[in-house]
Amino acid sequence: DTAVSQTPKYLVTQMGNDKSIKCEQNLGHDTMYWYKQDSKKFLKIMFSYNNKELIINETVPNRFSPKSPDKAHLNLHINSLELGDSAVYFCASSQVGTVGLSYEQYFGPGTRLTVT
Amino acid sequence: AQSVTQPDIHITVSEGASLELRCNYSYGATPYLFWYVQSPGQGLQLLLKYFSGDTLVQGIKGFEAEFKRSQSSFNLRKPSVHWSDAAEYFCAVGARDSSYKLIFGSGTRLLVRP
Repeated sequence: DTAVSQTPKYLVTQMGNDKSIKCEQNLGHDTMYWYKQDSKKFLKIMFSYNNKELIINETVPNRFSPKSPDKAHLNLHINSLELGDSAVYFCASSQVGTVGLSYEQYFGPGTRLTVT
Repeated sequence: AQSVTQPDIHITVSEGASLELRCNYSYGATPYLFWYVQSPGQGLQLLLKYFSGDTLVQGIKGFEAEFKRSQSSFNLRKPSVHWSDAAEYFCAVGARDSSYKLIFGSGTRLLVRP
């Protein structure tokens, strides 16, 4: 029973295309995140939503737009894909509210995006 | 601003040998600290966490970590490594703002020699 799931697992597309990645969590958490992992394995936060409200928006090109239809789902839409967008994108979730535990995040399996 | 340093990019140990992966953090107060493991092609799995209290924390898969405030360290240890432990290990600190984001180190790749 998957806790945090992402689709698709692999995404290969050409420069200039628009694509979406979907994330769903069944943990009952109220906060969801998108991280980008580059080719050197470095992980960096991109966005975070708490109860469908955007609370983190790091320095990310505005070609990236997150959407949270409800607190169990967080999608990532990318317009006009560029070569530099190639990376692994991870979704995560947590339950914010209890000191310390608010930071305990559960990760999905990742989506490997390759832009050619 | 908070930061995390993992000084070892790669570590190779023999199966059955002990392991210590280093993690240093920069933070002005008591941090929330985590170790995650990423197996090839997989997502990140939480190994253990430190919030407060006992500075030696136990995690899954036989791992433990010790918080040392004086050294700003949170090193991960395992007394006897198994071949299945080969993976990428990430140390992270929780950002003490309203974002609850995690700041990750650059990772240490563990290779296990048969």
